Amino acid sequence: SQQGEEDPQALSIQEGENATMNCSYKTSINNLQWYRQNSGRGLVHLILIRSNEREKHSGRLRVTLDTSKKSSSLLITASRAADTASYFCATAPNDYKLSFGAGTTVTVRA
Amino acid sequence: DVKVTQSSRYLVKRTGEKVFLECVQDMDHENMFWYRQDPGLGLRLIYFSYDVKMKEKGDIPEGYSVSREKKERFSLILESASTNQTSMYLCASSLPSGGQETQYFGPGTRLLVL
Repeated sequence: SQQGEEDPQALSIQEGENATMNCSYKTSINNLQWYRQNSGRGLVHLILIRSNEREKHSGRLRVTLDTSKKSSSLLITASRAADTASYFCATAPNDYKLSFGAGTTVTVRA
Repeated sequence: DVKVTQSSRYLVKRTGEKVFLECVQDMDHENMFWYRQDPGLGLRLIYFSYDVKMKEKGDIPEGYSVSREKKERFSLILESASTNQTSMYLCASSLPSGGQETQYFGPGTRLLVL
């Protein structure tokens, strides 16, 4: 069953702009992860944020987590054409497996 | 560098055929997973394995079985392929701690069942 839901479903931005997408989830979690999927390929792990963390950075990526609202956001700054991909949040509830959302498709226009 | 490979990128099979999808990881990971990905539905877990010869059903195991005879290899079997099993199949692996740690994915197998 899907635990996380990304919003928006699709996003189109100009190169150089920032892209923000959100993830909401239903039950308490141990961690939340973001993955990227380029067209027709496997998923690549971007960042993991644990439930006791509020913000995390990795290069041009910034992830926030608000456990009181059961939500997370992923910000990509200064977007590039290579950032065109689908982005998925994956939550780790208290059982053994990750649960993935349906993803946000990001298109970066040159 | 971490690597998960899948036996085929594209596969076309006929209804009723037995289909084998193979996944190999070179990271000595205990956990391995099979997902299917369909538009608008995200990734859904079919089966996972936390050790050799061990397996557990995921969210959508019906019509599938798995085999893990060696630590590095996890096979997904469609006993009698049906058109509703046309999908993208993704394999992943991870360290223990359940399935909650970072998962490393293969490139995917796009299966078309005619």
